[in-house]
Amino acid sequence: DTGVSQDPRHKITKRGQNVTFRCDPISEHNRLYWYRQTLGQGPEFLTYFQNEAQLEKSRLLSDRFSAERPKGSFSTLEIQRTEQGDSAMYLCASSALADEQFFGPGTRLTVL
Amino acid sequence: GEDVEQSLFLSVREGDSSVINCTYTDSSSTYLYWYKQEPGAGLQLLTYIFSNMDMKQDQRLTVLLNKKDKHLSLRIADTQTGDSAIYFCAESVSASGTYKYIFGTGTRLKVLA
Repeated sequence: DTGVSQDPRHKITKRGQNVTFRCDPISEHNRLYWYRQTLGQGPEFLTYFQNEAQLEKSRLLSDRFSAERPKGSFSTLEIQRTEQGDSAMYLCASSALADEQFFGPGTRLTVL
Repeated sequence: GEDVEQSLFLSVREGDSSVINCTYTDSSSTYLYWYKQEPGAGLQLLTYIFSNMDMKQDQRLTVLLNKKDKHLSLRIADTQTGDSAIYFCAESVSASGTYKYIFGTGTRLKVLA
C-alpha cells in the first residue's frame, strides 16, 4: 500500500467557483479525517468519518463545505462558492485504530 | 478549551542537540505526537508517546512528557541539515469516539552547517 493519496495536489480557482478534492485512505482504514492548514499555522480539524458515517464536523466547516465518504473508502470534500479565505492546504488522514493517523500529501487550494 | 502552544523558531548548529517544546491543555489526551513537515509536503509522523509514559527514546529522538505541567518536548540528538523543517506537536482529543488531533502552530527548526 502506498499510503494516503490526495488529488489534485494543487488547485487554482476563481472566487465563486466550486471545487472538489478527493482522498484515498490506506486500504482497510475505517477512520478518515479532513484538516485544513493555513500559512504559518498547524492543521485544524474539519471533519471525521468512521466508515461511511460522518460523525463530527468542526465549526470551521461552514455550509459551503460538504464532505462525503459514500462507500466507506475514498472521501470527497467539496467547497461551493469559494472565497479567498478558503485558500489553504487541505489534508486528509486515515487510521485503523483510535489513534495514529497517517496523513496524505495535501491539496493546496488557491482562490484568486 | 483545547490549545497547543509551541515556540515559533529554533536555530541550532549541525551536530548539536535540538530541543523543541510544547504545552497542551487537554489532560485527557491519550497520546501525544510529533510530526515533521518539510516545505510543500504533508505531515510525517516522527514519534508518539502514550500519556502514562514520561519518556520515550527512538534512535536520535527522545520525547519527554511532564503530565502534571502538560509539557512535552522533543530532543533531536546530533542534529543534521536534513532535520531542517517545521515540527508540530499534537494531542489526541477524544470526544464521542472521535480522536481528532489538536496541533500546535509548529516550530521551524533551522540547522546551520
